Amino acid sequence: DTEVTQTPKHLVMGMTNKKSLKCEQHMGHRAMYWYKQKAKKPPELMFVYSYEKLSINESVPSRFSPECPNSSLLNLHLHALQPEDSALYLCASSLDGGSRGGGELFFGEGSRLTVL
Amino acid sequence: AQTVTQSQPEMSVQEAETVTLSCTYDTSESDYYLFWYKQPPSRQMILVIRQEAYKQQNATENRFSVNFQKAAKSFSLKISDSQLGDAAMYFCAYTPFNYGGSQGNLIFGKGTKLSVKP
Repeated sequence: DTEVTQTPKHLVMGMTNKKSLKCEQHMGHRAMYWYKQKAKKPPELMFVYSYEKLSINESVPSRFSPECPNSSLLNLHLHALQPEDSALYLCASSLDGGSRGGGELFFGEGSRLTVL
Repeated sequence: AQTVTQSQPEMSVQEAETVTLSCTYDTSESDYYLFWYKQPPSRQMILVIRQEAYKQQNATENRFSVNFQKAAKSFSLKISDSQLGDAAMYFCAYTPFNYGGSQGNLIFGKGTKLSVKP
């Protein structure tokens, strides 16, 4: 099983809503990532969790709140978002945050978020 | 700063022909990995091929091969016998070799959109 599963695939929310994106992997990976991708642009790193501890936070606004309940799960809690936050949110995992496993990231299919 | 540059925003190839996508990068590291990821309209980023910088031999994966020129910091992707399913956005990516730290960040180029004509 080499999947990274993200739910929901599509999410539409208002600026006052609170919602969450979920990501799950069962590959035994110990590092998980959230990326934001705007149309026709490369993914931009938001957060990295390594061994369930937040190791990288790329100056993301506090309206995005990550959570790593265990080594298989990664959530992204959304609150008071702006229309410019509409994007594809990609979850990824790797063996660890270093270079074991060749540095490869395994990506999910993404959650398409639209903020009205 | 480490950067990855893809100078071709769009490319087109006839089915069954060969196409080469360009990528250059800048780093002061001596150990690193380079990747080509494919992102079709279905959205999922899929690893196409990986190259370890310490290996002189160019990586190959079936119809996909790279031309890795370490001194020139160049990492191009060649797709042979192009198929309709190869149509996608292709991202070149770099990550420094990390001895057990917690970096693990991929630095992406801006991408090349590949169209395959039947």
